[in-house]
Amino acid sequence: DQQVKQNSPSLSVQEGRISILNCDYTNSMFDYFLWYKKYPAEGPTFLISISSIKDKNEDGRFTVFLNKSAKHLSLHIVPSQPGDSAVYFCAASARGGADGLTFGKGTHLIIQP
Amino acid sequence: AAGVIQSPRHLIKEKRETATLKCYPIPRHDTVYWYQQGPGQDPQFLISFYEKMQSDKGSIPDRFSAQQFSDYHSELNMSSLELGDSALYFCASSKRGLWYGYTFGSGTRLTVV
Repeated sequence: DQQVKQNSPSLSVQEGRISILNCDYTNSMFDYFLWYKKYPAEGPTFLISISSIKDKNEDGRFTVFLNKSAKHLSLHIVPSQPGDSAVYFCAASARGGADGLTFGKGTHLIIQP
Repeated sequence: AAGVIQSPRHLIKEKRETATLKCYPIPRHDTVYWYQQGPGQDPQFLISFYEKMQSDKGSIPDRFSAQQFSDYHSELNMSSLELGDSALYFCASSKRGLWYGYTFGSGTRLTVV
């Protein structure tokens, strides 16, 4: 049973436009959410995170929104750049970080020139 | 800046053999996590250690064991290898409670033939 779901396996966005990656979760015990970017043959790279007590966190071009009632979060990248092309994983944790992360299956973001 | 170091990068083993993967966390990080990522799959949490004690356990098979040593490096021991164990194995480290520092290594690609 997939507790963290990324329903779009891939997403294609034009350079300069906004990329929106979505993530849904089912476990109401999750209290921390993270987004990772991954290139082939490399480990996931941390992008941005959000605690369940917040509904928005912003870091440069990256903004994460959390809707607890809908158990939904999204990552906005604006403006999208060619170097953003990668697989993006949504991850969640319960118990304030004492557990390992539960990952979604990832969304392959392709930025088109 | 120092990153999480994993060795070896690639490993080929035959069925029923054993394998040992090593992980060297970022200095002053006290928590180590192991993940397994099969082909086309999301990373699955295996096990974690905090201050050299097992902290949490995920979907780690009984054939696998791990430990964290006094210098905080960790080793994942895999015995009676099966073809299905072929995967990327990632190690991550963090300072407990500091999520922005949760950093992954580049992974070890294990191929069982």
